[in-house]
Amino acid sequence: AQSVAQPEDQVNVAEGNPLTVKCTYSVSGNPYLFWYVQYPNRGLQFLLKYITGDNLVKGSYGFEAEFNKSQTSFHLKKPSALVSDSALYFCAVRDLYNNDMRFGAGTRLTVKP
Amino acid sequence: NAGVTQTPKFRILKIGQSMTLQCAQDMNHNYMYWYRQDPGMGLKLIYYSVGAGITDKGEVPNGYNVSRSTTEDFPLRLELAAPSQTSVYFCASSYSTLMNTEAFFGQGTRLTVV
Repeated sequence: AQSVAQPEDQVNVAEGNPLTVKCTYSVSGNPYLFWYVQYPNRGLQFLLKYITGDNLVKGSYGFEAEFNKSQTSFHLKKPSALVSDSALYFCAVRDLYNNDMRFGAGTRLTVKP
Repeated sequence: NAGVTQTPKFRILKIGQSMTLQCAQDMNHNYMYWYRQDPGMGLKLIYYSVGAGITDKGEVPNGYNVSRSTTEDFPLRLELAAPSQTSVYFCASSYSTLMNTEAFFGQGTRLTVV
């Protein structure tokens, strides 16, 4: 079965600095990878996805993610963090053989002014 | 555009009670899902549906039941509530059967079983 791992429970960065939230995956077949963000007391919101093609995917709110097949990683990045980016971030994966989406445990991003 | 709507937002149940969590979407999506979110555990899939009249088990289906009589609605039933079912429940939907489609989530139902 497919799975994702988010190795960091918490990431802290200063406002204006670049941020990276890490994700590694395991699938049988080609991966379909997603990032979601969850603000307090809200549902998950879609940020971006990798399906095929360019390894650098651009998404909402200035976020991007880099797909690396050899390292089975899909790290979320932003060149300059904002305090409003503070939230819980989830990586998710689907593969061709399952109808469901598997989520990582989440990484709490805190951006300090 | 309401998207995915879940009711209620909060509920406290006593052990052994039953309840139905409601979920409705107005985007004409075929796929619908129920997840539970526990601290530090991410989201776990409970049940999903690929269309009206069709449902299937996810990763953690025990203690739950679902039905899908219409495209719009996908209620989740807890028959005999247990403390282990204390969680935040999210309903989601997606517009395609293709694997490359993202899901849209409701705001969640916070359930406490005491």
